[in-house]
Amino acid sequence: AQSVTQLGSHVSVSEGALVLLRCNYSSSVPPYLFWYVQYPNQGLQLLLKYTSAATLVKGINDFEAEFKKSETSFHLTKPSAHMSDAAEYFCAVRSSGNTPLVFGKGTRLSVIA
Amino acid sequence: DAGVTQSPTHLIKTRGQQVTLRCSPKSGHDTVSWYQQALGQGPQFIFQYYEEEERQRGNFPDRFSGHQFPNYSSELNVNALLLGDSALYLCASSLIGDQGGANVLTFGAGSRLTVL
Repeated sequence: AQSVTQLGSHVSVSEGALVLLRCNYSSSVPPYLFWYVQYPNQGLQLLLKYTSAATLVKGINDFEAEFKKSETSFHLTKPSAHMSDAAEYFCAVRSSGNTPLVFGKGTRLSVIA
Repeated sequence: DAGVTQSPTHLIKTRGQQVTLRCSPKSGHDTVSWYQQALGQGPQFIFQYYEEEERQRGNFPDRFSGHQFPNYSSELNVNALLLGDSALYLCASSLIGDQGGANVLTFGAGSRLTVL
């Protein structure tokens, strides 16, 4: 069975500081991994996805994530936080085909001016 | 291009009642998945519909049922509502077989259900 663990339910950073949101996965087969963002009162929006083509994945709004098989991790980073990045971030995993996407519990990012 | 639209956006029901939530998928998509997102939690998979049939189901009781129409739109029905059913219900659409496991779900803004 697949699962995702997001370390830290709440992360707070200063504007302009590095953003690091942690995600560890469990999968019996090579996984497909996703990061979604949810702004207040909105649905989930895809930030980026890992599909085995490259271990470093670049997404929208300068976010990127690195797949590390040895650490079973897929952490999300952004070099410089903006106030507009304040939102809930979800890591998700799928094993293959059209199996359901399994989400972590999310990490709420706060950006302090 | 309209994305995924859901209705209603908010609703309040009492215990024991029944509710129907509606979803129109993104243009060009043929598959609809429903997720339940409780407060402070990640989305939990309820079920997926393709070709008007339930194809996969998560760990939800039979009180949760659905339907997909020929135009690919979908409904989620919940009977005998419990307080614990209070949540944001998200609909997501996709195109079956597109990119295999890398298939991307497009989400609607959700329907927030409060059960009193």
